[in-house]
Amino acid sequence: EDQVTQSPEALRLQEGESSSLNCSYTVSGLRGLFWYRQDPGKGPEFLFTLYSAGEEKEKERLKATLTKKESFLHITAPKPEDSATYLCAVQAETGANNLFFGTGTRLTVIP
Amino acid sequence: EAQVTQNPRYLITVTGKKLTVTCSQNMNHEYMSWYRQDPGLGLRQIYYSMNVEVTDKGDVPEGYKVSRKEKRNFPLILESPSPNQTSLYFCASSFQGSTEAFFGQGTRLTVV
Repeated sequence: EDQVTQSPEALRLQEGESSSLNCSYTVSGLRGLFWYRQDPGKGPEFLFTLYSAGEEKEKERLKATLTKKESFLHITAPKPEDSATYLCAVQAETGANNLFFGTGTRLTVIP
Repeated sequence: EAQVTQNPRYLITVTGKKLTVTCSQNMNHEYMSWYRQDPGLGLRQIYYSMNVEVTDKGDVPEGYKVSRKEKRNFPLILESPSPNQTSLYFCASSFQGSTEAFFGQGTRLTVV
């Protein structure tokens, strides 16, 4: 059975204090691992897709990496506008476009 | 503007009163799906559709129905809502095989 576990549940950082969010997964054949950002009261917004171990993708202060068992979302020198819930999801090879989500990490960046 | 539109955004209803939440996308996507989001449980898929007239169950389909008569629309139907269906609902769409799903703004449903 597909499983996605994100840690920590919540993270408070001072502005400029870099850190990482973890997503560990179990899936029968990984087609892709996804990171989404969700602001309060809004739908998730796509950030990255990673397909194979060793792959990395970057967008502004965010960098996502992937191993065979987990993914990390590294946040470098965060700003208050980076405050959001970050969701990790996996897509199995055998599924349609179905996404299986973790419960998310709620990030708060304090000025 | 490319978007997924859900209506209504907020709904309070009583147990057993049939309701429909609409979802429409303007990107010509083949794939559409419905999720519910609950605290501590994350987003869970209810139903999905790979194209017109093709629908299938997700992880939590009990108590829900869907239809896909047109490519752009994918309504979620609750024939007899119960309090345990109180939740935040999201519709999403994408091209089949695409990596990027677009989500609607969400519908907050309360069943009393």
